[in-house]
Amino acid sequence: NAGVTQTPKFQVLKTGQSMTLQCAQDMNHNSMYWYRQDPGMGLRLIYYSASEGTTDKGEVPNGYNVSRLNKREFSLRLESAAPSQTSVYFCASRRAEKNTGELFFGEGSRLTVL
Amino acid sequence: AQTVTQSQPEMSVQEAETVTLSCTYDTSESDYYLFWYKQPPSRQMILVIRQEAYKQQNATENRFSVNFQKAAKSFSLKISDSQLGDAAMYFCAYRATNFGNEKLTFGTGTRLTIIP
Repeated sequence: NAGVTQTPKFQVLKTGQSMTLQCAQDMNHNSMYWYRQDPGMGLRLIYYSASEGTTDKGEVPNGYNVSRLNKREFSLRLESAAPSQTSVYFCASRRAEKNTGELFFGEGSRLTVL
Repeated sequence: AQTVTQSQPEMSVQEAETVTLSCTYDTSESDYYLFWYKQPPSRQMILVIRQEAYKQQNATENRFSVNFQKAAKSFSLKISDSQLGDAAMYFCAYRATNFGNEKLTFGTGTRLTIIP
């Protein structure tokens, strides 16, 4: 099983450039999430989607947009990248109707903004 | 707002010995889930163990067990017979159980080193 797949794994951007991180899950999960991980700060929630067609802000949404394209896919877009967005980004999914709360994570995408 | 605190940025243990990682949390909810995730150098986040707050019995998964103290809001992870493959960052996480609450809150992590 592929689980949660993120692309790209690595990306270098210049300040002001835009890009989209793609995420897809094959577990038929309803809920999907985007987190960022920074040294000494753990994982912080950027946006989430509780079901197809809905999205909500997390702790640190500024500078990001998301799209829940269908049940499988949840993308994260940086419209005008800033050095403060240099981070490792994780996509995750959860089977919401089974409320045990476990998240399944992708392998992460390392983004560097110069 | 819920917060999760891991006060040990780094820990080390001799191979085959036992180590305990600490986690405290703050919440006004009565029912919730607590998790320990492991992140090896590969970056993949892996669920180690899960505890449901309404269950008094501490969760156990092979060499991994927790000490859940609900009144003290403490959730420590004990790793017995430590192995080299246990070297990783360990994150404690919290989520309330009410449907519609999607937020999983993480601590800042503890880096565990295994000394051969």
